[in-house]
Amino acid sequence: DVKVTQSSRYLVKRTGEKVFLECVQDMDHENMFWYRQDPGLGLRLIYFSYDVKMKEKGDIPEGYSVSREKKERFSLILESASTNQTSMYLCASSSGTGGYGYTFGSGTRLTVV
Amino acid sequence: AQSVTQLGSHVSVSEGALVLLRCNYSSSVPPYLFWYVQYPNQGLQLLLKYTSAATLVKGINGFEAEFKKSETSFHLTKPSAHMSDAAEYFCAVTGGTSGTYKYIFGTGTRLKVLA
Repeated sequence: DVKVTQSSRYLVKRTGEKVFLECVQDMDHENMFWYRQDPGLGLRLIYFSYDVKMKEKGDIPEGYSVSREKKERFSLILESASTNQTSMYLCASSSGTGGYGYTFGSGTRLTVV
Repeated sequence: AQSVTQLGSHVSVSEGALVLLRCNYSSSVPPYLFWYVQYPNQGLQLLLKYTSAATLVKGINGFEAEFKKSETSFHLTKPSAHMSDAAEYFCAVTGGTSGTYKYIFGTGTRLKVLA
């Protein structure tokens, strides 16, 4: 089974801190994604990557950046954490395009205080 | 632009009753459609997907969904609800104008199963 591993399940950070969320997949998927999930808003795409060192903005990239130096790892960076970035963050990966479906990690619940 | 609408943010059914979760999409070209389930404090798990083969798609845990192009719908059903079905369900679409890397998710429907 494809596995997508997010390094932390729960994280508490202070306002203004630089925060790194790590995601690793073990099935050689080309595409990786970062979403945030908030009640009533569903999943919103922050950034995605379809190849090493490639990245594209999603729908809500402000305040975030990403890094993909290796195919299996996709990091989400909060440059200066703010309280409105308190959320559940979900990483996903997929092979190819279209109908393959995503495989999701278990999520990181980030609280910024 | 593509979009997905899930009607009803909360649905309650009795154990043993029919489960019906509604999803309507908009797309200018034939889409790929998915249903995902999320249990508390977990990531999303793929339930089933439509990729232009059979219009009636069977998934895991007894769920199925029917693609109806004329109604632009992809509703999720299960004949008999079980307590373990209590979770949040998300419909998603990809393909067409949004490109096939990105999925557009609905806002989710939380299913409650009453004993």
